[in-house]
Amino acid sequence: AQSVTQPDIHITVSEGASLELRCNYSYGATPYLFWYVQSPGQGLQLLLKYFSGDTLVQGIKGFEAEFKRSQSSFNLRKPSVHWSDAAEYFCAVGDAGGTSYGKLTFGQGTILTVHP
Amino acid sequence: NAGVMQNPRHLVRRRGQEARLRCSPMKGHSHVYWYRQLPEEGLKFMVYLQKENIIDESGMPKERFSAEFPKEGPSILRIQQVVRGDSAAYFCASSPETNTEAFFGQGTRLTVV
Repeated sequence: AQSVTQPDIHITVSEGASLELRCNYSYGATPYLFWYVQSPGQGLQLLLKYFSGDTLVQGIKGFEAEFKRSQSSFNLRKPSVHWSDAAEYFCAVGDAGGTSYGKLTFGQGTILTVHP
Repeated sequence: NAGVMQNPRHLVRRRGQEARLRCSPMKGHSHVYWYRQLPEEGLKFMVYLQKENIIDESGMPKERFSAEFPKEGPSILRIQQVVRGDSAAYFCASSPETNTEAFFGQGTRLTVV
């Protein structure tokens, strides 16, 4: 069965510092990978996705992620964090059968706190 | 273009009552997904529906939970005889096709007292 692990439950960074959120997945074939962000009391917003092709993908709000098959990782990065980036971040992998990208397996989430 | 609309945003039910959660997908989207987010946990897939059909309900609890997506109207997630353990945020997502990403609603927070 597919699975997603986000090793860091909570990360704190200073505003302006760089950020990397880790995500490891377990999947038998080429995965479809996603990063979502959730602000308190809100729904999930898609930051970026990887289906195929270039392993470095750009997303909204200045985020990027790199797919590394050899490490089964899809880490999220941002060069300079803004206070408004404080939220919970979820990594997800698409359905193993490939029948739908809407059926996702999510990681436990990483809560990002940004200090001024 | 309105996003995925869920209502109510907050729902309080007493133990033993029924909870009905509604989801109107984005315009042109015919695929709907329901997820549950329990406190301190990530989101767990519950069910995937297309119009009038349940495609995948592998994440649905075997009892008390049901879902539908009629030809007309919103998708409904129904929980009968709610218990305290059903307290969670329930999210709906929709997509136009199977090979595109899904867009999420803002969720319904269910509290069972």
